[in-house]
Amino acid sequence: ETGVTQSPTHLIKTRGQQVTLRCSSQSGHNTVSWYQQALGQGPQFIFQYYREEENGRGNFPPRFSGLQFPNYSSELNVNALELDDSALYLCASSPGRASTIYFGEGSWLTVV
Amino acid sequence: DQQVKQNSPSLSVQEGRISILNCDYTNSMFDYFLWYKKYPAEGPTFLISISSIKDKNEDGRFTVFLNKSAKHLSLHIVPSQPGDSAVYFCAATTLSGNTPLVFGKGTRLSVIA
Repeated sequence: ETGVTQSPTHLIKTRGQQVTLRCSSQSGHNTVSWYQQALGQGPQFIFQYYREEENGRGNFPPRFSGLQFPNYSSELNVNALELDDSALYLCASSPGRASTIYFGEGSWLTVV
Repeated sequence: DQQVKQNSPSLSVQEGRISILNCDYTNSMFDYFLWYKKYPAEGPTFLISISSIKDKNEDGRFTVFLNKSAKHLSLHIVPSQPGDSAVYFCAATTLSGNTPLVFGKGTRLSVIA
């Protein structure tokens, strides 16, 4: 167990809706990253937050946004959901920006 | 443009034998490499890592080898056990912290009893 918890574990949304996924980091970890894992693919980097500031972003459109809170917990928000957004969304925390990252169990999002 | 490639989608190995999972990378800036293991319905679990100043790192039954000139790394599991059956992801990054982890597509290992 990594100490990284995510909620909800599964959810179904309709195309065009908005979704918020939540993550609680491992104690002492000030960096959180979000990844999207589509079926048959490896995790793809969405963005990283370090001390509440966005610290890097992958090739995802602006409708993917995030927040990190003072207690280092985090949210991933996706607006205007598309069918291709259906995937496993993984949150990972680390004790610094250049460290091994530890994943939560993920949130399965299905867009219909 | 895939910077980290795992060319074998699947691998089957007999229990007790050696499992060898391979990974190639193209970005010469990568200097830190990690292997993660993923069971169904769980997030990836960190297994072992290696920095580019080493060519081998061992942890129990797991050994990672790095060949910088070939831009190739491999994970050896010996002896393989049925509980090792999972998807294994190779990932690469830079220790400067300016690069997120870049993952391969994974190799599904099946260890047959």
